[in-house]
Amino acid sequence: EVQLVESGGGLVQPGGSLRLSCAASGNSFSSYSMNWVRQAPGKGLEWVSFISYRSSTIYYSDSVKGRFTVSRDNAKNSLYLEMNSLRAEDTAVYFCTRDYEFWSGSYYYYYMDVWGKGTTVMVSS
Amino acid sequence: DIQLTQSPSFLSSSVGDTVTITCRASQGISTYLAWYQQKPGKAPEVLIYAASTLQSGVPSRFSGSGSGTEFTLTISSLQPEDIATYYCQQLKSHPRTFGQGTKVEIK
Repeated sequence: EVQLVESGGGLVQPGGSLRLSCAASGNSFSSYSMNWVRQAPGKGLEWVSFISYRSSTIYYSDSVKGRFTVSRDNAKNSLYLEMNSLRAEDTAVYFCTRDYEFWSGSYYYYYMDVWGKGTTVMVSS
Repeated sequence: DIQLTQSPSFLSSSVGDTVTITCRASQGISTYLAWYQQKPGKAPEVLIYAASTLQSGVPSRFSGSGSGTEFTLTISSLQPEDIATYYCQQLKSHPRTFGQGTKVEIK
């Protein structure tokens, strides 16, 4: 069974930077697209970023575009999120998720089938 | 961007009750919708994908329906272990937005 383990969270001052990592177990990492999803304290889920399995397609939410950069190293079974110019509103638990692609016979469907436990980022002075 | 609106935001029901949560999309998303359950302090887990397909291992008391702009998640015979917050998510296009969540409690 695939497991995802996030790391790299911590306390950082406003304007600072942090790099999150997500390590995947198993040997199928390179076959799947991945996402970062975050959850501010006491709030709902917010999708942050998507990267396709070969890194050819990347998307960001408007709230992080231009500040965050997603990348992956398939040889190391790892996903990354480089976060710059951090703001108080970036304080959240950050989850990495696997993007599962399902062929119905007519269409491709997607959903996030594996989630890590999350890593906490706190932006505060 | 596609907005998802869940209702209600909170519900309290008795064990054994049937519970229904609604998710409305701001534009048609066919059946590109998933439902997740998040228990306190835990990561979310997928319950339903493609609007009505039950994820392997999820109890059959959970079901999903809908297409286009209106979707429902139904829990038939609510159990104490179903206490959680439930989120819908559209996967028709990026950004892959979530609903704001519905917190389910036992009365």
